[in-house]
Amino acid sequence: GAGVSQSPSNKVTEKGKDVELRCDPISGHTALYWYRQSLGQGLEFLIYFQGNSAPDKSGLPSDRFSAERTGGSVSTLTIQRTQQEDSAVYLCASSLGVVRGRQDQETQYFGPGTRLLVL
Amino acid sequence: SQQGEEDPQALSIQEGENATMNCSYKTSINNLQWYRQNSGRGLVHLILIRSNEREKHSGRLRVTLDTSKKSSSLLITASRAADTASYLCATDIAGKSTFGDGTTLTVKP
Repeated sequence: GAGVSQSPSNKVTEKGKDVELRCDPISGHTALYWYRQSLGQGLEFLIYFQGNSAPDKSGLPSDRFSAERTGGSVSTLTIQRTQQEDSAVYLCASSLGVVRGRQDQETQYFGPGTRLLVL
Repeated sequence: SQQGEEDPQALSIQEGENATMNCSYKTSINNLQWYRQNSGRGLVHLILIRSNEREKHSGRLRVTLDTSKKSSSLLITASRAADTASYLCATDIAGKSTFGDGTTLTVKP
């Protein structure tokens, strides 16, 4: 079966340009996460979608970052006016999410990531 | 500061030896998960242990959880060169995961 897919796999952009990163979660997974990982660092939580609830945006580093999840499936992470410090691998994950009325996170399945380089 | 912090940051052992990595966290959790990451990409889920469980096994992996000490350990027995990777713990609080920076394990053939 299909796992989590992300596109593009690599993106090189110039400082100041906007970029869009896409994540296709596993079908039926209600929870979707975006993380950022800089070279040699751990995962930094960015944003979390759970079903139709308002997303948890507490990890977004600035107002240049935004994310949408359309129809409860595909998600797009947008970075406006990119800066060199935005260079990182952006990872998306999905999980079953809420199960039988209780919050049960279960396993997160990760996509291969998008490697972003801002010149 | 990180909710989950792994210890040690780096570990180097010989093939066949056991590797033990630890994860400490600060607040009450629903569950704790261990992941493996190769080459800075592709996290793979290894094992999930719930807050009411104390120990779980999966193949050569053994995970323990001590909620009184807010810590977990991952033991890899009879290590292989292919086990070389970073190992991260993730703590779940109300559906949201927080990852540590990971332990980098090197298994020398």
